[in-house]
Amino acid sequence: SQQGEEDPQALSIQEGENATMNCSYKTSINNLQWYRQNSGRGLVHLILIRSNEREKHSGRLRVTLDTSKKSSSLLITASRAADTASYFCATDAAGNQFYFGTGTSLTVIP
Amino acid sequence: GAVVSQHPSWVICKSGTSVKIECRSLDFQATTMFWYRQFPKQSLMLMATSNEGSKATYEQGVEKDKFLINHASLTLSTLTVTSAHPEDSSFYICSAPLSTGLYGYTFGSGTRLTVV
Repeated sequence: SQQGEEDPQALSIQEGENATMNCSYKTSINNLQWYRQNSGRGLVHLILIRSNEREKHSGRLRVTLDTSKKSSSLLITASRAADTASYFCATDAAGNQFYFGTGTSLTVIP
Repeated sequence: GAVVSQHPSWVICKSGTSVKIECRSLDFQATTMFWYRQFPKQSLMLMATSNEGSKATYEQGVEKDKFLINHASLTLSTLTVTSAHPEDSSFYICSAPLSTGLYGYTFGSGTRLTVV
């Protein structure tokens, strides 16, 4: 299966702390994307990193990609209670089709 | 920006009945639509890929006769759950690639199906 895996499965931190989530995948990819999902809602696209990129920033988000290890990390700095959600990585191997990881459930305690 | 409108947002139906879920692309043409389902506390799982004007491609283990997908126009894709059973209760989400030249995808808001 191409499905990625995130760890940890669940993460609970205090507001203001940084949150780091990791994603591993199995096959070569064109790009990797991170999404967030609030409970019962559709996914929201956060950031995309291409296979030839190693790091990307967007606001409080920082994503790294290590294609040699087939892994990526998402760092959320200065977390807020509103960041509480599930975060998924999705790998795009070819032609607009992609596979989600299992997700990390993040809880930010006010 | 590109938006996919998904309806209904929730539906309760009786066992044995069929339910149709619609996804419409607004302001852009969606030649491809992905359909996902999500069981509680699990990741989204790709069910099928629909392409306008051709038959949908189903992932392994997904019953094509049970989950009928139609993509008759560039702005509308539908998923019909036929003869629904309680085990079909799930969260269904559609997704379309953004316009040519842009990376990423836009998602519908999801449909919560409960079969009683």
